[in-house]
Amino acid sequence: EAGVTQFPSHSVIEKGQTVTLRCDPISGHDNLYWYRRVMGKEIKFLLHFVKESKQDESGMPNNRFLAERTGGTYSTLKVQPAELEDSGVYFCASSQARGLATDTQYFGPGTRLTVL
Amino acid sequence: AQKVTQAQTEISVVEKEDVTLDCVYETRDTTYYLFWYKQPPSGELVFLIRRNSFDEQNEISGRYSWNFQKSTSSFNFTITASQVVDSAVYFCALLNYGGATNKLIFGTGTLLAVQP
Repeated sequence: EAGVTQFPSHSVIEKGQTVTLRCDPISGHDNLYWYRRVMGKEIKFLLHFVKESKQDESGMPNNRFLAERTGGTYSTLKVQPAELEDSGVYFCASSQARGLATDTQYFGPGTRLTVL
Repeated sequence: AQKVTQAQTEISVVEKEDVTLDCVYETRDTTYYLFWYKQPPSGELVFLIRRNSFDEQNEISGRYSWNFQKSTSSFNFTITASQVVDSAVYFCALLNYGGATNKLIFGTGTLLAVQP
């Protein structure tokens, strides 16, 4: 079974540009999460999809970040325009069923975003 | 407030030594889950274990063992006879049960370097 995949693995852009990150969850997983780790700090929650619906987007930093999950399969996270403080590693995770706190979240390898 | 503290930023050991990674958590909930993830140099977060707040039994899996103590709000992770392949960043995480979302709250991670 394929794990969570993320693309690209690394992105270097200039301040003010736009970047779109993609996450493909494990097949059949309804829940999809985005997290971010800024250098040396903890991994922080950004948002949670249940299928195509946003369940919780309380961690999104500001309106420069837009996440979508059309059709309830893969998800994209767009940053527009990117700022220096957006640099970090963006992780995507998926889990199987809604409402089960025991449901383990499986993570992808992350996308390392560098904003110059 | 919910918080996870991993006070050890970096640990360096020599192969075959035992090493314990500390994790202290804060939560007001009575039902919660604790996790450990491993992030090897390849970047992905690998799930290691989850425990719920009602199960304080220690767990052993090969060279890995976990000591959960509610009295001290700790969930420590011990690697016995460490190996070079254990070198990674290890994250402890907390999940509170019963909310609308299952967001994980992570510590800042402990970088473990196992020297040959």
